[in-house]
Amino acid sequence: DTAVSQTPKYLVTQMGNDKSIKCEQNLGHDTMYWYKQDSKKFLKIMFSYNNKELIINETVPNRFSPKSPDKAHLNLHINSLELGDSAVYFCASRGSHSGNTIYFGEGSWLTVV
Amino acid sequence: SQQGEEDPQALSIQEGENATMNCSYKTSINNLQWYRQNSGRGLVHLILIRSNEREKHSGRLRVTLDTSKKSSSLLITASRAADTASYFCATDSVTAGNMLTFGGGTRLMVKP
Repeated sequence: DTAVSQTPKYLVTQMGNDKSIKCEQNLGHDTMYWYKQDSKKFLKIMFSYNNKELIINETVPNRFSPKSPDKAHLNLHINSLELGDSAVYFCASRGSHSGNTIYFGEGSWLTVV
Repeated sequence: SQQGEEDPQALSIQEGENATMNCSYKTSINNLQWYRQNSGRGLVHLILIRSNEREKHSGRLRVTLDTSKKSSSLLITASRAADTASYFCATDSVTAGNMLTFGGGTRLMVKP
C-alpha cells in the first residue's frame, strides 16, 4: 500500500483554469506538506499543515491554497493557473513516531498550456 | 537562495568508483538529512545526521557533518549503476519550524 498517495499523477490544463491535486497519507502522521519542484529540480516548500496550524511560505502566491478535510488529507487548490505554475508538486508527511523523516508521494506533473 | 546547496550539481563516474557529494547550509540546524530521487519518482529518505554527530554510516553510505563550516558530505562507496539518481540534502533548522529545506541536488550518473 502506498504510504503517501497523490492524484492525478499528470495534469495538463489551460491558463486561467482552476485545478486541484489531492493527497492522502495512511501513516497516521500529524504533519503534511506541499513542495514544488521546478524544471531545475529545486524543491521549494509551499505549505506545512499540522493540527490545523497552517504555515505558509510567504513567496507562494495566494492563488495556491491548501485544504485539509482531516488529518490524513491535504489537497492543493490552484486558481487562475499561469504558465509558471508548470512544475512537479510533491505531497509529503511527517509524524512524531517517524522521527524527522519525511515521506514523499510520487509527485503530480502539472503542465499549464 | 537555497538553505542547502549541493556541490557538484552533476557527477558522472564509473561503476565501482566512490561518489562524494557536498552540501552547504546557512543557518543553525537540528539535523541534516539526505534524500534520493530516481527519475520521475518521489524523494526517499537515506540517512539523518544530528547536529551533535560528526559521522554516520548506513551500508555503502557515509555522511559527515561539520557544523563549524555548516557543511555535510555524502559518500557512496563502490557505486552501482542503480545508484544513478539525484541526491538532495535537507536541513531541519532551528528557525524553520516543522519544515525541511532542500538544496538543489546533485545528479549522479553511474556508468556500467
